[in-house]
Amino acid sequence: ELKVEQNPLFLSMQEGKNYTIYCNYSTTSDRLYWYRQDPGKSLESLFVLLSNGAVKQEGRLMASLDTKARLSTLHITAAVHDLSATYFCAVDIGQGGSEKLVFGKGTKLTVNP
Amino acid sequence: DTGVSQDPRHKITKRGQNVTFRCDPISEHNRLYWYRQTLGQGPEFLTYFQNEAQLEKSRLLSDRFSAERPKGSFSTLEIQRTEQGDSAMYLCASSLWGGTSSYEQYFGPGTRLTVT
Repeated sequence: ELKVEQNPLFLSMQEGKNYTIYCNYSTTSDRLYWYRQDPGKSLESLFVLLSNGAVKQEGRLMASLDTKARLSTLHITAAVHDLSATYFCAVDIGQGGSEKLVFGKGTKLTVNP
Repeated sequence: DTGVSQDPRHKITKRGQNVTFRCDPISEHNRLYWYRQTLGQGPEFLTYFQNEAQLEKSRLLSDRFSAERPKGSFSTLEIQRTEQGDSAMYLCASSLWGGTSSYEQYFGPGTRLTVT
């Protein structure tokens, strides 16, 4: 059974600091997604990573994928309070495209002023 | 088109009652997914459709749960004889399989179910 493990599960950081969230998964896949969820809200797509070595950046967030190591990272640069949310990685284990996603437990990020 | 919509947004029901949720996907999307999310956890896959065909069901989907997508557009998820353990956020997502960006699932706002 596929396992998707995120760490840390809780992250409290100061504004202006950098940090990395890790996502490990246990089976072969070359499609990994990062989502953001604010309390009581649905999921907002952040990044879609479709191949080994893929790197995407949007603002203060950068995501990368190493399919050989079965590892994705979400790097936060110079954090600001607005980034406080829960971040999920999800692995697509379908054969031919977007099928079912298996999510990690999420990393709850709190950015303190 | 404003994205995936779900109705109702909140539902409170008594144990043993039946409930039905509706999801309207992005109009050109041919795949539709249902997930369930409990507090402090990531979403868990329940089932998905391609057009009107239900292609996979999770073992989480007991026989009290049934989903339909009769005309390949909107979908309904029904829970019969609700139990307190059914309390969760039910999320719907859609994607365009076979298109140029056929991998991304877009999520709706969810239906939060509380069983008392």
